[in-house]
This record gives sequence, C-alpha cells and structure tokens, in this order.
Amino acid sequence: GAVVSQHPSRVICKSGTSVKIECRSLDFQATTMFWYRQFPKQSLMLMATSNEGSKATYEQGVEKDKFLINHASLTLSTLTVTSAHPEDSSFYICSARPFGQPEETQYFGPGTRLLVL
Amino acid sequence: AQSVTQPDIHITVSEGASLELRCNYSYGATPYLFWYVQSPGQGLQLLLKYFSGDTLVQGIKGFEAEFKRSQSSFNLRKPSVHWSDAAEYFCAVVISGGYQKVTFGTGTKLQVIP
Repeated sequence: GAVVSQHPSRVICKSGTSVKIECRSLDFQATTMFWYRQFPKQSLMLMATSNEGSKATYEQGVEKDKFLINHASLTLSTLTVTSAHPEDSSFYICSARPFGQPEETQYFGPGTRLLVL
Repeated sequence: AQSVTQPDIHITVSEGASLELRCNYSYGATPYLFWYVQSPGQGLQLLLKYFSGDTLVQGIKGFEAEFKRSQSSFNLRKPSVHWSDAAEYFCAVVISGGYQKVTFGTGTKLQVIP
C-alpha cells in the first residue's frame, strides 16, 4: 500500500509554455501533499505544502504565481509550471501524507523530470 | 536554523565491504529521522526511520541505522554492500510538533566497485 504516482514521468516543453504535473495517492487519501524540487546533484528542496481544499503554503523564495498548486481532492494535487523557462528544468517530486497518520509519515512519488528548451 | 549534514558527498566501496554513511542534525530536540535511497532518475524509497525507542533500527535491503543523541547522529550502515546498492542516499529529519516539513541532507552518492 501507500503508493504515490506522478504523471508525466518526464516532459520536454518549449520556453514560455505551461506544464502541469499530477501527483496522485493511489490507495489512500492524502490531506496534505508536498512538492519538492531537486537540481542536478543536489538535495531536495521543499517548494510548497498543499492541503486539500485550501491554498498552498509556499516556502520562502518560491514564486507562487509561477508554480501553481491545486489540491482539489484527497487523492490528487497538481503543480503547474507557468511560462516555463530553461532555468525551471529540474526534477520535481511530490509526497503525500495519509489521512489520519502521524505527521512524520510521507510517501514519495517517483518524480517528474522537466526539461525546458 | 535546523540543518542536516551529510559530510561525505561521494563514497566508493568494494562489493562485499561494509558501509557507513554519516548523518548529523542540528536541532534543539530529537527529531524524527529517516534515510532514503534514490536510484538514478527515480524517486525516493524509504530505507528506515527512527521515531523513538530502540536506537538501533533495522530497515529494508539489509540496512540499519543507529541514533546517537549525544552525537546528534543517525549513521546508516550495511555489513556487506551489493552492486545494486549504488545510488544516492539522503538523510532527512522532521521536527515533531505539528509541522510536517522534511529537511533533507545534501546526499551521499555511493559507488560500488567489483
């Protein structure tokens, strides 16, 4: 159990376009989902925390108008990179905390590799 | 500010040799501690975690980690490394108390040679 999927697994887009990444909890409900970004050869950096039905909380330095997060249901959160630029190329990973489980429990998705040309 | 330090960026070991990956944290209280493994181009897989109790925790794939409060450390060990263990390993912490933010270390890349 406790599987998190991401779609797509990799995407290539042109500069200026928008890209949507989905994060789904397949066999549990997730009241809270997290979005991370990982630059090559670096660690994961938390971008934002999203709670179902409310606005996401962004970490300092993350542009909320550029990285739109929607958590419309207990099993789905989406991250939309708007007007993508080459510097947005990165590996984006989501995680989900199952409803009713301790705060420290998170399950990670397999990640989405974004390349902006 | 809270921080997680993995002092070794890159480690090379021979297959069959023992392994120890270091992790130190800087917090006022004992956090929840995790070790994750990431294969190239893949997401994170949880190896093990420590919340409380026995300070030596067993994980998957033959890994174990020991929490040492006096040293603020949570080092990962494996007695005999397999070639398939080559990956990047991240130590992570979560502070208890209502906030779920995970802070990751910078990672240690493990190379296994025949």
